[in-house]
Amino acid sequence: ILNVEQSPQSLHVQEGDSTNFTCSFPSSNFYALHWYRWETAKSPEALFVMTLNGDEKKKGRISATLNTKEGYSYLYIKGSQPEDSATYLCAFMTTDSWGKFQFGAGTQVVVTP
Amino acid sequence: NAGVTQTPKFQVLKTGQSMTLQCAQDMNHEYMSWYRQDPGMGLRLIHYSVGAGITDQGEVPNGYNVSRSTTEDFPLRLLSAAPSQTSVYFCASSYQRAGGSEQYFGPGTRLTVT
Repeated sequence: ILNVEQSPQSLHVQEGDSTNFTCSFPSSNFYALHWYRWETAKSPEALFVMTLNGDEKKKGRISATLNTKEGYSYLYIKGSQPEDSATYLCAFMTTDSWGKFQFGAGTQVVVTP
Repeated sequence: NAGVTQTPKFQVLKTGQSMTLQCAQDMNHEYMSWYRQDPGMGLRLIHYSVGAGITDQGEVPNGYNVSRSTTEDFPLRLLSAAPSQTSVYFCASSYQRAGGSEQYFGPGTRLTVT
């Protein structure tokens, strides 16, 4: 059972455009939320670790925000480039299931030149 | 520093056979975990360990055993392979207590059970 939902499932973006997508999770007993980037034929790589309500993280053109009270996190890509094409996964953990990450099914991003 | 390594990369088993998927990390990470990845299902946690000698079940533990005798190694055993266990298996580790730091993933093992 997936308690964490990612939307949209996929999106196509023109090079240079900005985009964002959502990770939704139960708001109770929040402990941590992670974002990972997963390129085809590779392993997931961590983008952000977020633990506090209101967290905002940034790495280059990619940033993320976290709202634990309403149970969502946004990932933003500014000025998309073809190398941003990947599946973006979020994973969350609660205080009452410490040690157990639940992953969303991912948002697949395709950036076309 | 090799990071997280997994062997084998590919494996084909017949129904009923047993095998062990190996996972090792050289980063002195406390937390290690095993996931399976199936289309449309995301990554699902099989078992995890918060330190040597300590293991616990994840979301889909049936049919799998683990042990953690050392900090470095976290093997996953398939007791009697079934076609439903056809999947890609990823091992991951992280430095601090689970959740507080990023997970590093191994390259994966693609398992087919016929």
